[in-house]
Amino acid sequence: KAGVTQTPRYLIKTRGQQVTLSCSPISGHRSVSWYQQTPGQGLQFLFEYFSETQRNKGNFPGRFSGRQFSNSRSEMNVSTLELGDSALYLCASSLAYLAGDEQFFGPGTRLTVL
Amino acid sequence: AQSVTQLGSHVSVSEGALVLLRCNYSSSVPPYLFWYVQYPNQGLQLLLKYTTGATLVKGINGFEAEFKKSETSFHLTKPSAHMSDAAEYFCAVSGSGYSTLTFGKGTMLLVSP
Repeated sequence: KAGVTQTPRYLIKTRGQQVTLSCSPISGHRSVSWYQQTPGQGLQFLFEYFSETQRNKGNFPGRFSGRQFSNSRSEMNVSTLELGDSALYLCASSLAYLAGDEQFFGPGTRLTVL
Repeated sequence: AQSVTQLGSHVSVSEGALVLLRCNYSSSVPPYLFWYVQYPNQGLQLLLKYTTGATLVKGINGFEAEFKKSETSFHLTKPSAHMSDAAEYFCAVSGSGYSTLTFGKGTMLLVSP
């Protein structure tokens, strides 16, 4: 069974631009979560989607948004990029996103904002 | 609210030595606890998890962890370190309802020959 895939793996953008990251979950998984990983703040939860609906959201500004498609693939978008948005963005999928469910992580997209 | 504290941002051991990575959590509800490992330029891989039942949990690659409610701890151990264990390790907690993970800051494990 193929794992979680994320595209692209690396991105370089400049301040003020916007970016879209893509995540394809494991086949059969309906929940997709996004996390931001930085050296200073560590791993922080961005949001989670289940059946095309955002069910949970972390404490990030509105510049960060996402969506999920009917095939469970998910995208996240960051508008008006800031230097501090440079990070590894990780996508995770799980069957139903219930407490205790294992989340399977993709390799991440490394975003660099110049 | 939940939180996780990992003691020691870096831990160094010799190959063959005991590995002990410390994790303490705070949770207002019975927690679900996880240990993940991250190798360079890769995502996170689940080592083991505690949900309910037996408090000593065995995971992959010879790792195990013990849930101690009275100490609010979930320390990760491995009897004998291998060079391939060098990586960053994250302890995480989730509560009831959704399984949003709250992570600790991570511990980098360095293994010397």
